[in-house]
Amino acid sequence: NAGVTQTPKFQVLKTGQSMTLQCAQDMNHEYMSWYRQDPGMGLRLIHYSVGAGITDQGEVPNGYNVSRSTTEDFPLRLLSAAPSQTSVYFCASSYNYDSKTWGYEQYFGPGTRLTVT
Amino acid sequence: KQEVTQIPAALSVPEGENLVLNCSFTDSAIYNLQWFRQDPGKGLTSLLLIQSSQREQTSGRLNASLDKSSGRSTLYIAASQPGDSATYLCAGAGGRGSQGNLIFGKGTKLSVKP
Repeated sequence: NAGVTQTPKFQVLKTGQSMTLQCAQDMNHEYMSWYRQDPGMGLRLIHYSVGAGITDQGEVPNGYNVSRSTTEDFPLRLLSAAPSQTSVYFCASSYNYDSKTWGYEQYFGPGTRLTVT
Repeated sequence: KQEVTQIPAALSVPEGENLVLNCSFTDSAIYNLQWFRQDPGKGLTSLLLIQSSQREQTSGRLNASLDKSSGRSTLYIAASQPGDSATYLCAGAGGRGSQGNLIFGKGTKLSVKP
């Protein structure tokens, strides 16, 4: 298994440009999520999905869009990039999202380092 | 809202020392707690997962404990090595308002000197 993969690894955007960060997992995980990591702020949840066709907002969703058309893929779209979106983005997945059996480990991808100028 | 705190923010120890990293959380209605390791410029590697019904988990030289009543988890590293140098993150799932998503602490940066 490749686990959780993310592309690209690095990206530089100009303010106002749009782009999509790709995330894929081959573990048949129902739950997928996106985090951003900023110095001094830690990791913060952007959006998450509990299965194909189901997404919801996390702590910092503004400026980002997601969709989940398949179990394997969970792309993150930046609609109009801003310098405040300069960050490292991590995608994660877990077997399921059953609140009664929260015993499942979350696996993280290697990250995408994004710079917006 | 669940908050997770890690103290200290940085720790430097000589090789061979046993050490403890601390993690505290504000809401005891936590479903599980996960410890991660992050090397500079890299992603997160899962070290240990403790479910809410468990008190501890062990993997090699690592032992993690969970005390929901006091809102604390500790990661014990035995016989530390320079290769253990990294940032260690704890994250809790569950608690009111978290909808089961992971809430992260800001990490403890560990440096093990040869």
